[in-house]
Amino acid sequence: DAEITQSPRHKITETGRQVTLACHQTWNHNNMFWYRQDLGHGLRLIHYSYGVQDTNKGEVSDGYSVSRSNTEDLPLTLESAASSQTSVYFCASSESRRQKETQYFGPGTRLLVL
Amino acid sequence: DQQVKQNSPSLSVQEGRISILNCDYTNSMFDYFLWYKKYPAEGPTFLISISSIKDKNEDGRFTVFLNKSAKHLSLHIVPSQPGDSAVYFCAARLVTSGTYKYIFGTGTRLKVLA
Repeated sequence: DAEITQSPRHKITETGRQVTLACHQTWNHNNMFWYRQDLGHGLRLIHYSYGVQDTNKGEVSDGYSVSRSNTEDLPLTLESAASSQTSVYFCASSESRRQKETQYFGPGTRLLVL
Repeated sequence: DQQVKQNSPSLSVQEGRISILNCDYTNSMFDYFLWYKKYPAEGPTFLISISSIKDKNEDGRFTVFLNKSAKHLSLHIVPSQPGDSAVYFCAARLVTSGTYKYIFGTGTRLKVLA
């Protein structure tokens, strides 16, 4: 069965370190997204990609970067982790921009920056 | 500026009764609305959606109503079941200059009491 996975599921790091969160989908979807979920804010879009070599900034992109070298993966990198980046991170994918397209979410990565 | 608002952080309902979850939005350019359901330690899963050109969409026990003049969206669950206990997010799609993104509300935690 097709799926979307995230790793690691839990991560503790220190301020200033570089951290990369992995996202892998086997849906063969063109579109992939990264969100963070924080109390009082719901899900906020960090970065998204419509296909290989395409990346776009979302509403909370500062301090994060992504790259899309193949269809299946969209790793999220925190260049220099900050305590404000402690959050739960969700990756999602979707097939196209059709009217009825929906996003499929991964299980999330809980990141703690000390 | 929260463009999609879920003003009730939590809701408790007796099993068998109707659950009504509400969502308000401010941007009249949203063209598509979705509801997602989220269990603890899992990613959100798609529940039901509605296009901005419609006012109702029904799928089994779940019905979404859209009142464009009031910029209000609601999800009705009838009858409510204990397995419906979860956090529910509404989301709205915004298409600008050929790109699109989803704006999520902060979520409502539904508890269905047996």
